[in-house]
Amino acid sequence: GQQVQQSPASLVLQEGENAELQCNFSSTATRLQWFYQRPGGSLVSLLSNPSGTKHTGRLTSTTVTKERRGSLHISSSQITDSGTYLCAMEPGANTGKLTFGHGTILRVHP
Amino acid sequence: EAAVTQSPRNKVAVTGGKVTLSCNQTNNHNNMYWYRQDTGHGLRLIHYSYGAGSTEKGDIPDGYKASRPSQENFSLILELATPSQTSVYFCASGDAGGAGDTQYFGPGTRLLVL
Repeated sequence: GQQVQQSPASLVLQEGENAELQCNFSSTATRLQWFYQRPGGSLVSLLSNPSGTKHTGRLTSTTVTKERRGSLHISSSQITDSGTYLCAMEPGANTGKLTFGHGTILRVHP
Repeated sequence: EAAVTQSPRNKVAVTGGKVTLSCNQTNNHNNMYWYRQDTGHGLRLIHYSYGAGSTEKGDIPDGYKASRPSQENFSLILELATPSQTSVYFCASGDAGGAGDTQYFGPGTRLLVL
């Protein structure tokens, strides 16, 4: 079946540093989505990106579907950015079905 | 902001018992989804629905049934619960299609099957 690989598995930063999270998927995707999850909490959508580059606040998502990869860049990290970042691919157009990676655990220290 | 609620938030069940997890969304989304989240497996899709009266099998449907009696409500049913179904279950809603579409998740239900 479809697989989504995220790297690194975990990342520790000093406040103010930038983070680059990677996502690779095994089959054709029509869209990549990025979600944030606080420990013990629910998921919150960050960015939905079919291709190219999208920005929101300090977040930049880049999706290269033909190369089956994507990334999430977090600039000027803050302590409140700590948590798990999940990448999900949508394999078919307009299905809404998502396949998730296992996530990258981010810890930001003061 | 989309509102998705789940009940119960925590549940302890016995092996062989019936468990029903409920989900309600107030945003008139056509699509609803049930996932489970386990360490080492991430989130996996169990069942989903494209609208009232429809249910579709996801990636791991065995041992689960789903019911979508209305646009707002989507239930996940474990007819004969087993310890392997101990997990955190998330419901989500959304409308597929379009560049900005995403899924809105409920707070999750922690299920422990003894």
